[in-house]
Amino acid sequence: NAGVTQTPKFQVLKTGQSMTLQCAQDMNHEYMSWYRQDPGMGLRLIHYSVGAGITDQGEVPNGYNVSRSTTEDFPLRLLSAAPSQTSVYFCASSYDGKDTQYFGPGTRLTVL
Amino acid sequence: TQLLEQSPQFLSIQEGENLTVYCNSSSVFSSLQWYRQEPGEGPVLLVTVVTGGEVKKLKRLTFQFGDARKDSSLHITAAQPGDTGLYLCAGAYNDMRFGAGTRLTVKP
Repeated sequence: NAGVTQTPKFQVLKTGQSMTLQCAQDMNHEYMSWYRQDPGMGLRLIHYSVGAGITDQGEVPNGYNVSRSTTEDFPLRLLSAAPSQTSVYFCASSYDGKDTQYFGPGTRLTVL
Repeated sequence: TQLLEQSPQFLSIQEGENLTVYCNSSSVFSSLQWYRQEPGEGPVLLVTVVTGGEVKKLKRLTFQFGDARKDSSLHITAAQPGDTGLYLCAGAYNDMRFGAGTRLTVKP
């Protein structure tokens, strides 16, 4: 099992550009989520999904879109990148959202 | 304001010392988890505590869940350089919420 995979590992964008961060899991978990990690702020929940076709907002959803067309994949879209979105992004999956969270290796995003 | 407050934010100690880090909230959680994160990687679960007053031991690490299920502590005995990392607590709320973490450095 690969667990949770994320691509790319690193990305540099210019303000206003768009991009999609990819996340996939092979553990057949229903629950998937996206977090951003900033110094002194810990992990903050952006969006989450409790199953294919169902998504909901977390603490900091503004500027981000998600969709969940399959159980395996949960991409995060930045429609118009801003410097405030410079961060490390982690995707996680779990059985039901309140048990063990399995994290991917992260994507380090810099917006210039 | 974070739902979970962790203290201290930074901790630097010598190998062999003992330490305790704290995770506090005004909210009640159905369960609380502790994760460790190493540079360049995602967090990895250490333990889950579910019952108020519960104590769990993992080798030199002792985890305690407060009686009211609002706080938790992590105690490390005889810390080793391999314990260096970011320790995060997470509470099961409507979803899973994380604290800002305690960054521990153990010097040889």
